[in-house]
Amino acid sequence: QQQVKQSPQSLIVQKGGISIINCAYENTAFDYFPWYQQFPGKGPALLIAIRPDVSEKKEGRFTISFNKSAKQFSLHIMDSQPGDSATYFCAASKTGANNLFFGTGTRLTVIP
Amino acid sequence: DAGITQSPRHKVTETGTPVTLRCHQTENHRYMYWYRQDPGHGLRLIHYSYGVKDTDKGEVSDGYSVSRSKTEDFLLTLESATSSQTSVYFCAIRGTGTEAFFGQGTRLTVV
Repeated sequence: QQQVKQSPQSLIVQKGGISIINCAYENTAFDYFPWYQQFPGKGPALLIAIRPDVSEKKEGRFTISFNKSAKQFSLHIMDSQPGDSATYFCAASKTGANNLFFGTGTRLTVIP
Repeated sequence: DAGITQSPRHKVTETGTPVTLRCHQTENHRYMYWYRQDPGHGLRLIHYSYGVKDTDKGEVSDGYSVSRSKTEDFLLTLESATSSQTSVYFCAIRGTGTEAFFGQGTRLTVV
């Protein structure tokens, strides 16, 4: 079964708007939650990651919000730009384990 | 791209034929991974390696084998390709922490 559930499957946002992608997990042993960005024909690229000891992490226009009690985390893209149009994957892992469990991806389109 | 090169980048093969995909890294990372990417499934781990000749199965390993005879090379072999193995295959390495860095991918079509 899917270890990490991601929504929405696709998202269309106007330039300058906020893009929000949500993920949920079941395994409470997970303690590492990265987000990947993938452009067509390219491999996924690590965008930002968080550990459960903090509730939020911000890097530039990208913010991860983490809710440990709800077992949910989300990616917020502020001031979305057409160059942000890509597929975004959330993932989860346990430190020391050898598998990253990925969500099914969200295709983001930012309209100029 | 974390010094990862995958080859070939594209391949079309016939059902029942063996296929080998290659991943080459230049930064001496110990851990290497093979994932497949399919619509509706995200990325799923096939096999991984934690050193030369040290490999283990991931969540979708049936029909695949791997080998790692040198630190820099990790090979994925489909012993007898099937249409269900049509996918995009990504090699990844683990960085100094928990983070994974991916190659550019190999698009494999089995006809």
